[in-house]
Amino acid sequence: DSGVTQTPKHLITATGQRVTLRCSPRSGDLSVYWYQQSLDQGLQFLIQYYNGEERAKGNILERFSAQQFPDLHSELNLSSLELGDSALYFCASSVAGSSNEKLFFGSGTQLSVL
Amino acid sequence: AQSVTQLGSHVSVSEGALVLLRCNYSSSVPPYLFWYVQYPNQGLQLLLKYTSAATLVKGINGFEAEFKKSETSFHLTKPSAHMSDAAEYFCAVSDRGRGGYQKVTFGTGTKLQVIP
Repeated sequence: DSGVTQTPKHLITATGQRVTLRCSPRSGDLSVYWYQQSLDQGLQFLIQYYNGEERAKGNILERFSAQQFPDLHSELNLSSLELGDSALYFCASSVAGSSNEKLFFGSGTQLSVL
Repeated sequence: AQSVTQLGSHVSVSEGALVLLRCNYSSSVPPYLFWYVQYPNQGLQLLLKYTSAATLVKGINGFEAEFKKSETSFHLTKPSAHMSDAAEYFCAVSDRGRGGYQKVTFGTGTKLQVIP
């Protein structure tokens, strides 16, 4: 158990809809990362937060947004969903977000857009 | 821009045989390098990391990796494969993003199959 909790584990929705994925980081970790894993794109970095502030942005679509709350949990919002958004979405956390730190990954949310 | 290339999306070895998973990196500055493992229906777990202290890095479950700057490689090895090693393995490189914060780029992964 990594200590990172993601909910829900599975999500099935329709095109055009909006969903929210939730992540609770490991106790004491201030930095949260979101990754998208799909068969064709592999593991893609989306965005990183540190103590409530956005710190790095990767290949995140404009239809997607995220935030980290004062209690350090994070939410990833996906809107105007398309079939191609179907993927496994991972949240990871680390203590301070430094370059040499180990990432602790949650078990992921499997999103299926029908 | 940093990147990693994993050669071979699928590798099969016999139980007890040597495991060799290849990773080459590209980075404009001395990198931090990682190997993560993903078991079915689970998130990624760190196997080992290189942070410039020693070129040969030992990790969990008997795995080790050697950093070779001249070859820009960080191959993962294990002397004797176990059935429990069947999983997907990801090489990753970490570089300082803007503001000094971590930006990790993962390779496309190598699925290891262990044959009894």
